[in-house]
Amino acid sequence: QVQLQESGPGLVKPSETLSLTCTVSGGSISDYYWTWIRQSPGKGLEWIGYFSSRGNINTKYNPSLESRVTISLDTSQNQISLNLTSVTAADTAHYYCARDGVAAGGAFYYGMDVWGRGTLVTVSS
Amino acid sequence: EIVLTQSPGTLSLSPGERATLSCRASQSVSNSNYLAWYQQKPGQAPRLLIFAASKRATGVPDRFSGSGSGTDFSLTISGLEPEDFAVYYCQQSGTSPWTFGRGTKVESK
Repeated sequence: QVQLQESGPGLVKPSETLSLTCTVSGGSISDYYWTWIRQSPGKGLEWIGYFSSRGNINTKYNPSLESRVTISLDTSQNQISLNLTSVTAADTAHYYCARDGVAAGGAFYYGMDVWGRGTLVTVSS
Repeated sequence: EIVLTQSPGTLSLSPGERATLSCRASQSVSNSNYLAWYQQKPGQAPRLLIFAASKRATGVPDRFSGSGSGTDFSLTISGLEPEDFAVYYCQQSGTSPWTFGRGTKVESK
C-alpha cells in the first residue's frame, strides 16, 4: 500500500522560501504524476503543479504560481520536493502531496488516488 | 482556466435518501476521462471516489456513481449512509491548470 508523508516547517516568515518534502513508501515513484495541492479557507483546493515520472520527465505548474514554484523528484530517496519562494500570508494553507494516475483496464487515467495527510504551513513573522 | 461550479453549495438530506451533486465547467472538459470527484471529511485529505467521470476508484461502494460529459457532470449517491456526510469536490485535468470546484457539503438533515 503506497503511503505519502509530507514534512517541513510549519511556520515560514514572509518573503522567505517554503520548502516541503513528500516521502513515498510502499511503492514505486515511477510512472505517475506527483502533485502538490494546497487548501485554504479562502481559496479552496488549489493545484500547485506536478512532476511527471511518466515517459518524458517534465513538470507543469499553475500559472498563478509558476514564477515562484519548483517541484523536483529524488528517486534515490523516493521523495518529491516543493519549493515556493517569496511567500506571503496568502500562501498560508494546508499543503498536500498526491499521486495522480490510475491504471485501470490497461489504460491510464488522471485521478489523485493517494494523498498524504497534509501539513499546515503558516506564513507569519 | 476552467472554472468548475458546483451546486448546490449545501445539500441537507437524511440517511437513505438519494443525493445528486452537480458540477458545471466554464468550458468543455476536453475529454470526460479528465473529470474526477473527491470526498473530504473534516481533518482529512480528499479521497478519490470517481475518475474518468464515471469509473469508481478502488474500494468505493457502488452507491456512488458519476456521469456526464462536456460541461455538465454529476455525482449521485443512491442511498446516503452516515459516513457519506462530507464535502464533495469535482476536479478537471483536461486543461492546465488543473482546477477544483468549491465543493458541495452534504449534511445530515
